[in-house]
Amino acid sequence: QKEVEQDPGPLSVPEGAIVSLNCTYSNSAFQYFMWYRQYSRKGPELLMYTYSSGNKEDGRFTAQVDKSSKYISLFIRDSQPSDSATYLCAIRGAQKLVFGQGTRLTINP
Amino acid sequence: ETGVTQTPRHLVMGMTNKKSLKCEQHLGHNAMYWYKQSAKKPLELMFVYSLEERVENNSVPSRFSPECPNSSHLFLHLHTLQPEDSALYLCASSQVPPVANTGELFFGEGSRLTVL
Repeated sequence: QKEVEQDPGPLSVPEGAIVSLNCTYSNSAFQYFMWYRQYSRKGPELLMYTYSSGNKEDGRFTAQVDKSSKYISLFIRDSQPSDSATYLCAIRGAQKLVFGQGTRLTINP
Repeated sequence: ETGVTQTPRHLVMGMTNKKSLKCEQHLGHNAMYWYKQSAKKPLELMFVYSLEERVENNSVPSRFSPECPNSSHLFLHLHTLQPEDSALYLCASSQVPPVANTGELFFGEGSRLTVL
């Protein structure tokens, strides 16, 4: 079983839609939950991070962690074409950082 | 120059060539990393230089050889590569121990490698 699972997509939605991106993980020792965004021909950049179960909101983005289900989500409200990118979940424990496969997202005008 | 810069951005090499990838970070960090990014696969950590110690992924073939002459510069020496080594190679840096607990990685734009 992979430590972190993420559907690679691709995912294509119309502008203005609500987007839901998800990852599951297997190791309950993981403590920090992050989302990186990677634009085409660029390196990944940290978008959001959370430490505990619950929601964290930043503008149109909401990160959600459910430790009991080992499930994390990133929601994008009022999606824009500029949100088109690959989104990678990353989960960190005491000694290691594990990335998901990344989901390629396209927002169509 | 700011952030993490990688050169070259694109590299095409034959299986018998020897080449090197270069990375430089201008963030004052004390840890540098090489990651391999292949389509629809998770980022694969290849090597870490942290606090002047090297940590490596034992599954990385010996045809990849890292060098870290100081905390700002990192190289990946390539020799007798295989076509399956074609990928995006990302350099990253961070501060160790991490600030704000995330251990945020700052990535360069990557070197796209094609092995013929």
